[in-house]
Amino acid sequence: ETGVTQTPRHLVMGMTNKKSLKCEQHLGHNAMYWYKQSAKKPLELMFVYNFKEQTENNSVPSRFSPECPNSSHLFLHLHTLQPEDSALYLCASSQDKLGGLAGELFFGEGSRLTVL
Amino acid sequence: AQKVTQAQTEISVVEKEDVTLDCVYETRDTTYYLFWYKQPPSGELVFLIRRNSFDEQNEISGRYSWNFQKSTSSFNFTITASQVVDSAVYFCALSGGGFGNEKLTFGTGTRLTIIP
Repeated sequence: ETGVTQTPRHLVMGMTNKKSLKCEQHLGHNAMYWYKQSAKKPLELMFVYNFKEQTENNSVPSRFSPECPNSSHLFLHLHTLQPEDSALYLCASSQDKLGGLAGELFFGEGSRLTVL
Repeated sequence: AQKVTQAQTEISVVEKEDVTLDCVYETRDTTYYLFWYKQPPSGELVFLIRRNSFDEQNEISGRYSWNFQKSTSSFNFTITASQVVDSAVYFCALSGGGFGNEKLTFGTGTRLTIIP
């Protein structure tokens, strides 16, 4: 199995829908991340979980709600999104979030979200 | 505040040509890490290299080489004898030392197209 798996790969939803993105890592890592990738913008860090505890919420609107039930799974629950939320959402994992291994993230292939 | 600038939005070269991707960074940290990631069409970012701020030696890995110059705050990436498989978006990133992955700042990326 690939290291970091994201489902669904593509999602189209209306502004009133509720959906979830799922991420699973098979690398035995302890830290997981959600990033947002929009066209012509730098990757934006949204959330960080370390040992299932949320350690970073980068001023993300409450219509995005993360959930990390264990170190291998990460969800992003979506509700009442806006068209500007359309983007590629990337999940990543790392051994931990500490500086010694900083930057060596393992990414999934992303979930392409379109909000109509 | 940290900032990473990749001024080249898109580059196209003919196969077997050499190509250099530029990266300029800004940071107030005295200890920091610099990275390059590759994002192929499949979507996942792939870690290529990490360099810490105390190590200015250039690095070569096969057809890839990196030139780190603190004096100009640059960390450029050169692909020698380019191949079609090198076509991807390349991201430069910066992390403040000791702050871990939640402080990883990405550039906007350079889309590299290798023409057969």
